[in-house]
Amino acid sequence: KNQVEQSPQSLIILEGKNCTLQCNYTVSPFSNLRWYKQDTGRGPVSLTIMTFSENTKSNGRYTATLDADTKQSSLHITASQLSDSASYICVVSDRGSTLGRLYFGRGTQLTVWP
Amino acid sequence: EADIYQTPRYLVIGTGKKITLECSQTMGHDKMYWYQQDPGMELHLIHYSYGVNSTEKGDLSSESTVSRIRTEHFPLTLESARPSHTSQYLCASSDEPQGFAGKPSYEQYFGPGTRLTVT
Repeated sequence: KNQVEQSPQSLIILEGKNCTLQCNYTVSPFSNLRWYKQDTGRGPVSLTIMTFSENTKSNGRYTATLDADTKQSSLHITASQLSDSASYICVVSDRGSTLGRLYFGRGTQLTVWP
Repeated sequence: EADIYQTPRYLVIGTGKKITLECSQTMGHDKMYWYQQDPGMELHLIHYSYGVNSTEKGDLSSESTVSRIRTEHFPLTLESARPSHTSQYLCASSDEPQGFAGKPSYEQYFGPGTRLTVT
């Protein structure tokens, strides 16, 4: 069964600190892995997308890593800001359908305190 | 910023009413999707469309229906709303696959969502 598991479920950090969010998946055949940021009451917004040949990708203060062998990914946030408070969702796409089916994790709820 | 819009953003309605959630995109994307999301839970695909006059049911069983008469418009309808339909509904559209040498396939752009409450 194709699944995406994220940890921790929630995380509280102080402004300016770094943090790392984890994602494990069993989706096969693998196409790509995405990290989305979802603010409360809004739709998800893409942060990074990685294919199996990429093992790291950065977008400003966000750096995602991918280990396609162990089927693990992480999202590292550097020098956190209050605006980083959101749910971060790991999403994996399979290669087996023309639709480009997406499998969603439940997200890590990040709260940044001043 | 993605050009995909949903209305209304919030809706509180009584049981038994018929409702239509609107979704429009101006990016010319052929593929569009409806997801349902409950608090703290993952998004579940309830409907999708490959293009005009093409609609399919997703993974999660839903009593809603959709139509795709125009490329830019993908409304979702509930004929008789019930409290179990209370949820957040997210619309999305995607571009065509670019392959591994270029941009990853099927980038999905999400609308802001409609928060539906059925009393």
